[in-house]
Amino acid sequence: GAGVSQTPSNKVTEKGKYVELRCDPISGHTALYWYRQSLGQGPEFLIYFQGTGAADDSGLPNDRFFAVRPEGSVSTLKIQRTERGDSAVYLCASSLRDRADGYTFGSGTRLTVV
Amino acid sequence: AQSVTQLGSHVSVSEGALVLLRCNYSSSVPPYLFWYVQYPNQGLQLLLKYTTGATLVKGINGFEAEFKKSETSFHLTKPSAHMSDAAEYFCAVSDGLGFGNEKLTFGTGTRLTIIP
Repeated sequence: GAGVSQTPSNKVTEKGKYVELRCDPISGHTALYWYRQSLGQGPEFLIYFQGTGAADDSGLPNDRFFAVRPEGSVSTLKIQRTERGDSAVYLCASSLRDRADGYTFGSGTRLTVV
Repeated sequence: AQSVTQLGSHVSVSEGALVLLRCNYSSSVPPYLFWYVQYPNQGLQLLLKYTTGATLVKGINGFEAEFKKSETSFHLTKPSAHMSDAAEYFCAVSDGLGFGNEKLTFGTGTRLTIIP
């Protein structure tokens, strides 16, 4: 596609529920990143994929968070037993090479846990 | 570990006046430095970047920034503010080693308001 697409754009869920957030990167981009942006803060790194594998998941806050990229394209960020503190905008970015100078960000998914 | 400090969470300038947004970083290796702009309900858009070479870099919409290693700074400037510049601006750093996984560390952002 022309850009990085994230769906849904907004998600409201109840505390304790499970959610999935989807990212469609630019076609051919091998590197994919997830970031979380809390209110009034800058984005914080969550996880990085190179192809199908999670090369760095050091930013995932706890084991309720998990992400996959089974075919090396679309990625899904999964959050179990959601908590109110998980409310944030989740941003996805992709790049053609493993170089930060080539990032393209999606518009994000705004997750609200009530 | 890398970090970014943006001085001033809110900056207001008059239309036509100089814009100066401050960014200082810490990095144990030569950094790659970035400025991103975020308009309401939109994703991050790259304004400009420094990787290697010329320390004064020019970006989109008339913005520029200068990498000053001795001051560990990468301040963003624009000679004449326009109403359309009102947005949130983020400075970011990556380690620039080129070995893959160049995750970004962002500052907390500066909200720029333009006064008519």
